[in-house]
Formats: sequence, C-alpha cells, structure tokens
Amino acid sequence: NAGVTQTPKFRVLKTGQSMTLLCAQDMNHEYMYWYRQDPGMGLRLIHYSVGEGTTAKGEVPDGYNVSRLKKQNFLLGLESAAPSQTSVYFCASTFSAGIYGYTFGSGTRLTVV
Amino acid sequence: QQQVKQSPQSLIVQKGGISIINCAYENTAFDYFPWYQQFPGKGPALLIAIRPDVSEKKEGRFTISFNKSAKQFSLHIMDSQPGDSATYFCAATTTGTASKLTFGTGTRLQVTL
Repeated sequence: NAGVTQTPKFRVLKTGQSMTLLCAQDMNHEYMYWYRQDPGMGLRLIHYSVGEGTTAKGEVPDGYNVSRLKKQNFLLGLESAAPSQTSVYFCASTFSAGIYGYTFGSGTRLTVV
Repeated sequence: QQQVKQSPQSLIVQKGGISIINCAYENTAFDYFPWYQQFPGKGPALLIAIRPDVSEKKEGRFTISFNKSAKQFSLHIMDSQPGDSATYFCAATTTGTASKLTFGTGTRLQVTL
C-alpha cells in the first residue's frame, strides 16, 4: 500500500533543461494536485486535476505543464527550467472534493543551477 | 493575494506547555479548515480538521477553535511534547467541485525539554 509515490526524490538541473516529475497514487483517488513549497511561503498550488484527462491551473502555473492521461498518474513538466523553480515539489491526491484529507507524497527536491 | 494568513512563523514551547498557532482567512466561501503536520523530509499529513458549523473540535491533545464571525481559527496543542516538533500548516477550501486547498505559510514549532 504505497499511497502517493513521487519520482525522482532529488534532481539538479541546469538552467534551460527540461524534466518531468512523476506522481503515482494507488488509492483510486479522483483529485490530484501539484504544490511547490518554498521557505516562508507555505505550499502554493501549481496545477491540479479533478479526474482522468482533466487539468486546471492553480496559483503559480507559469513555467509548468501537466498531464493526467491515466487516473493514477499526474505528471508535472518543466520545459525550460529556471533558478526560480528551485523548490520542493509535492504531489497530493484525495478521493473527493474538499471533505477528505489530502494524501501527500514525500516530495521532490529540485535545484536549478 | 494571500487568502490564509498564519502566525507565528516560528514558536518555541517547553515540554508540557501549550502551543497555539493562529490563522485568519478572507474568503467567506471557505467551509472546510484542516491542519497539516509536516516533519523534515516528509510530506504534510492531515492532523485535524473542522467545519464552520462547530466552534471547537478536539482530538487527543490537539484542538481547533473556530470563530466564524472573526474569520479566524487556531490550533492548540496541549501538553506539548518534543515529538510534536514539526511545521504546522493551516489550510482552507470550499467543498464543491474543483475544490483545492489554500495553505497558510506555516509555523515551525520546537518543543524543548
């Protein structure tokens, strides 16, 4: 029973490189989210999905793209990484809208140099 | 625009003392208010949550107090223990479709011996 699994756990990118962060959940959750965590700023929503094949923008979507081709997977892409995207990225999922707690992954620490 | 304001940023409490973390929100449509606990290197985990139709909810040593008219809610940790040392996030959301949590900026709690 893995819950929410994020890969990779750590990554260092050079400015301009691209990468994809993978989030996988095995709880049959409908809703999935990508947040970034920065010191003093809490968790800010990047993109989210309310079901397979759907995505929507969150609070800080610029520079990121997402895809939800399968219900259990939610991918976050950085097409051209910038130092401002250095952060810890968390994926979360939940069964339904709002009344259930989110299950978070353990995070991906990304450094862009 | 920060919709959920959290204070203090950091807190040091002696073992056995009471830890109090406060949050204020702006959006009157919010109707679900969870608190998350995060240990270093881990993702946030749901600690306790409250709906605005009650003024207080208690689970063990953790209590949420909710003041709807003031648009404020707080987390009280009674008999604080060193194992409670973590970062705490308040959050808020509406429980309709496309629900998404808005987080406070976090409080780093240290419980000393």
